[in-house]
Amino acid sequence: GENVEQHPSTLSVQEGDSAVIKCTYSDSASNYFPWYKQELGKRPQLIIDIRSNVGEKKDQRIAVTLNKTAKHFSLHITETQPEDSAVYFCAASRGGTSYGKLTFGQGTILTVHP
Amino acid sequence: SQTIHQWPATLVQPVGSPLSLECTVEGTSNPNLYWYRQAAGRGLQLLFYSVGIGQISSEVPQNLSASRPQDRQFILSSKKLLLSDSGFYLCAWSVGLYGYTFGSGTRLTVV
Repeated sequence: GENVEQHPSTLSVQEGDSAVIKCTYSDSASNYFPWYKQELGKRPQLIIDIRSNVGEKKDQRIAVTLNKTAKHFSLHITETQPEDSAVYFCAASRGGTSYGKLTFGQGTILTVHP
Repeated sequence: SQTIHQWPATLVQPVGSPLSLECTVEGTSNPNLYWYRQAAGRGLQLLFYSVGIGQISSEVPQNLSASRPQDRQFILSSKKLLLSDSGFYLCAWSVGLYGYTFGSGTRLTVV
């Protein structure tokens, strides 16, 4: 089955700096890569996703890049703000008979210091 | 618009007691439904998924079971809870591969 590794496990930055979280996956058939943000005690919320037919996607201060050859993808947050502090999860999935089953990374605790 | 409801929000149960967590989805038909568990605030583990009424697939062997009695209803159960069943349980739905949305979760503490 799919295995997703996420690094770093914790990340501390100053407000205004950039933050980068990286994930690698094992299943070359995976073609959908979402990122979720989870605030303390709340549900994970989808913040951005990318499909295997593109290499990069951007939404305001958040961007995701995908390298299918190397089987890794990354989340980039620019101009970080204290409200960006949360746990971030990457995930991978493939179509066909997988019915949207997502395999998650272990999460990154991001702390943005004012 | 689609919404997902999950209850209860918190639950404290003694070891050996039964469990029933319910999840319902509104505003969509024939969704794929999932139960995840999150221990210690990190790492989501897929427990069960269902692609239709009465169709349940288990991802990991455990003390829990799932049922889907109606198209938009997904239930997580246990006959006898263990201490290790404590965690944050999340229901999720999707239509096809995309649009994966989580419920608000149930924090279960087994004492």
